[in-house]
Amino acid sequence: DAGVTQSPTHLIKTRGQQVTLRCSPKSGHDTVSWYQQALGQGPQFIFQYYEEEERQRGNFPDRFSGHQFPNYSSELNVNALLLGDSALYLCASSLRIGGSTDTQYFGPGTRLTVL
Amino acid sequence: ILNVEQSPQSLHVQEGDSTNFTCSFPSSNFYALHWYRWETAKSPEALFVMTLNGDEKKKGRISATLNTKEGYSYLYIKGSQPEDSATYLCASLTGGGNKLTFGTGTQLKVEL
Repeated sequence: DAGVTQSPTHLIKTRGQQVTLRCSPKSGHDTVSWYQQALGQGPQFIFQYYEEEERQRGNFPDRFSGHQFPNYSSELNVNALLLGDSALYLCASSLRIGGSTDTQYFGPGTRLTVL
Repeated sequence: ILNVEQSPQSLHVQEGDSTNFTCSFPSSNFYALHWYRWETAKSPEALFVMTLNGDEKKKGRISATLNTKEGYSYLYIKGSQPEDSATYLCASLTGGGNKLTFGTGTQLKVEL
């Protein structure tokens, strides 16, 4: 049973560029959440997708957008990259029916460096 | 408490020592408290999801307790082993939904 997978593993971009990160959830899971972990911080919630719609959003600007596909996989897009967007981006999947106490399973993350 | 806070920030112990660390979280509108273990270059691994005041959970040598009224949880590791070296994260879920609010973690290093 494959766990949560993310691609790419590492990415280097320059300021102003756009980036797309990808996530495949754990088999059987229908909900995907994205988190940003900056150096020295805990992961910060970006948003969550369920049934191909954004259901909850954290305190991130509109430059951060996402998408969920019918197979439950998800993309995170960041436009107009800033140096401060350099971070580890984590994807987590869960089962909606499990409710708010269901375990979220994390992928290994994508390390984004903005130069 | 307005945010999730963890202490200590880092910890060095000898193999065989028992250790514990603390997670403090907002007690109002509490839904659940999650603990994760995160080894370098790996995915965070879910340890426990705790919901009820007084809850105690155990997984091998690791156990956790929960006090929702005062807003804290303790994680205990009995007889630490080098493979326990990792960052231990707690995350609070408040107000429904699935938005986890994480602490900054406790980095544990177990030395031979």
